[in-house]
Amino acid sequence: DSGVTQTPKHLITATGQRVTLRCSPRSGDLSVYWYQQSLDQGLQFLIQYYNGEERAKGNILERFSAQQFPDLHSELNLSSLELGDSALYFCASSRSRDRANYGYTFGSGTRLTVV
Amino acid sequence: AQSVTQLGSHVSVSEGALVLLRCNYSSSVPPYLFWYVQYPNQGLQLLLKYTTGATLVKGINGFEAEFKKSETSFHLTKPSAHMSDAAEYFCAVTDSSYKLIFGSGTRLLVRP
Repeated sequence: DSGVTQTPKHLITATGQRVTLRCSPRSGDLSVYWYQQSLDQGLQFLIQYYNGEERAKGNILERFSAQQFPDLHSELNLSSLELGDSALYFCASSRSRDRANYGYTFGSGTRLTVV
Repeated sequence: AQSVTQLGSHVSVSEGALVLLRCNYSSSVPPYLFWYVQYPNQGLQLLLKYTTGATLVKGINGFEAEFKKSETSFHLTKPSAHMSDAAEYFCAVTDSSYKLIFGSGTRLLVRP
């Protein structure tokens, strides 16, 4: 157990639907990162939050949004889902706001299948 | 912008043989470099990292990597492969905005 908890582990939904992925960071970590892993794109950085505020944005689609709550858990919202959104979505956390001195601790991911 | 290149999407070795997974990076700032391992249906686990100091870093499970600035490389090695080492390995570098940029991964196959 890495200490980063992601729920649900698996999600199957239809095109056009909206889903919410949840992440609880490791105790003491203030930064949360979301990554998408797909066969054709590899590991793509989506977005980072630090202590409730958006810190960095990557290749995140406008249909996707995220937030970090006061208790530091984070949610990634994916809407108007398309078949191509099927992927593994990872959450990671770290103590640092900026330079990833310690690396990230990853959760076990949420496998999203859009049918 | 920073980037990471992992040479070889698949590497196959015999059990007991040397493991060498190659990683080259580009960075406009002194890099922090990482190797992660991903076992099937699991998340990524940190193997080792280089931030500052000694250029030869040792990680978990007998892996080590050497930072070579002149070659912009951070290759991962293990003297003797075990069957349990079969997994996908990712090299990563921090970029100027401090997020981790990952390579495309190398799948290590270990033959009995």
